Amino acid sequence: KAGVTQTPRYLIKTRGQQVTLSCSPISGHRSVSWYQQTPGQGLQFLFEYFSETQRNKGNFPGRFSGRQFSNSRSEMNVSTLELGDSALYLCASSPGQGFEQYFGPGTRLTVT
Amino acid sequence: DQQVKQNSPSLSVQEGRISILNCDYTNSMFDYFLWYKKYPAEGPTFLISISSIKDKNEDGRFTVFLNKSAKHLSLHIVPSQPGDSAVYFCAAPSLAGGTSYGKLTFGQGTILTVHP
Repeated sequence: KAGVTQTPRYLIKTRGQQVTLSCSPISGHRSVSWYQQTPGQGLQFLFEYFSETQRNKGNFPGRFSGRQFSNSRSEMNVSTLELGDSALYLCASSPGQGFEQYFGPGTRLTVT
Repeated sequence: DQQVKQNSPSLSVQEGRISILNCDYTNSMFDYFLWYKKYPAEGPTFLISISSIKDKNEDGRFTVFLNKSAKHLSLHIVPSQPGDSAVYFCAAPSLAGGTSYGKLTFGQGTILTVHP
């Protein structure tokens, strides 16, 4: 099976812009979770989608949003970018039951 | 509140020796734990997990031990190989909000370097 794919891999944006990141889960996986990794805060959970519904949400401002499509692909959006949003954004998929998650390579976002 | 802690930022071992990576947790409601390995420019890769009904789980060179009374788990790699050099994260499904689905709480990670 193909692994989790994320596009784009690298992105440079300017403060105040918005950005959309995409994630394609492993075939058959219905759950997609998103994480932000920064040197100071480590890996922080953003939100999780299952069957197009957000099931869980982390402690991030409303500028961070996401959605999931009927084919389980997911997107996350960050509006009004701030310098502190510079991070590696990781997507992980799982079958929806159980706790193991399988991660994509991430999207490296740089906000200038 | 850091519920999963890896207090050693780095560990250096010689090839062929044992690597022991440690993790402590504060939430006694955690009942399942996972270890991930991460290379630079890649996402974390799932290594091994353990349920709280066990105190040990083994998979090849990797063994995870769980001490529930001490709220401590450790990952043993024997023998260590240079290709094991990576950042290792312990994680637990978080029960905040009444559901654990999809949310893993991670430790800060330990950088393992295995010297030839």
